[in-house]
Amino acid sequence: DVKVTQSSRYLVKRTGEKVFLECVQDMDHENMFWYRQDPGLGLRLIYFSYDVKMKEKGDIPEGYSVSREKKERFSLILESASTNQTSMYLCASSSEFMKTGYTDTQYFGPGTRLTVL
Amino acid sequence: QKEVEQNSGPLSVPEGAIASLNCTYSDRGSQSFFWYRQYSGKSPELIMSIYSNGDKEDGRFTAQLNKASQYVSLLIRDSQPSDSATYLCAVKGSQGNLIFGKGTKLSVKP
Repeated sequence: DVKVTQSSRYLVKRTGEKVFLECVQDMDHENMFWYRQDPGLGLRLIYFSYDVKMKEKGDIPEGYSVSREKKERFSLILESASTNQTSMYLCASSSEFMKTGYTDTQYFGPGTRLTVL
Repeated sequence: QKEVEQNSGPLSVPEGAIASLNCTYSDRGSQSFFWYRQYSGKSPELIMSIYSNGDKEDGRFTAQLNKASQYVSLLIRDSQPSDSATYLCAVKGSQGNLIFGKGTKLSVKP
């Protein structure tokens, strides 16, 4: 079974702190994704990566950065946390990238509920 | 901006009935479609994927795809209270990411 793990289920930080959210997958997947999910707004893509040291901006990258130094690990960084970054953060991984017409399933981690005070 | 639209619900059905969940998408070139189920406080889990026009059945679940109408649906037969959740429709974007609808909340009443 595919397993995607995230470093924390719940996290509380102060405004202005630097926050690291870690995601690890054990299936040798090429692609990894970071989403945030907010009531009424659904899942929104922050950043994704299709290879080590590669990154692409999603729909809402402002205020975030990412790091992918190893294939199995994808980190989301909030350089200076703000209250509007309070959200559920979901990491996902998949094994194909832009193969013509078809893509493999994205598997999600359990999520990190981040509260910024 | 490519979009995926779903009715937010809540959709309420009695136990044993058929639940019908619908989704439309804007990108006519989309090839891959997914239905995820998300229980409250949990992360999404895949129910079905569908790539070709027509129906695809898996147990009590049937996904239907009509690319000409840019429409994908999910039918749940013999609905159970344990099916109560939010159902997310997702369509593959041009960069390999998934574009999600906002989800339809389903409530199955005993």
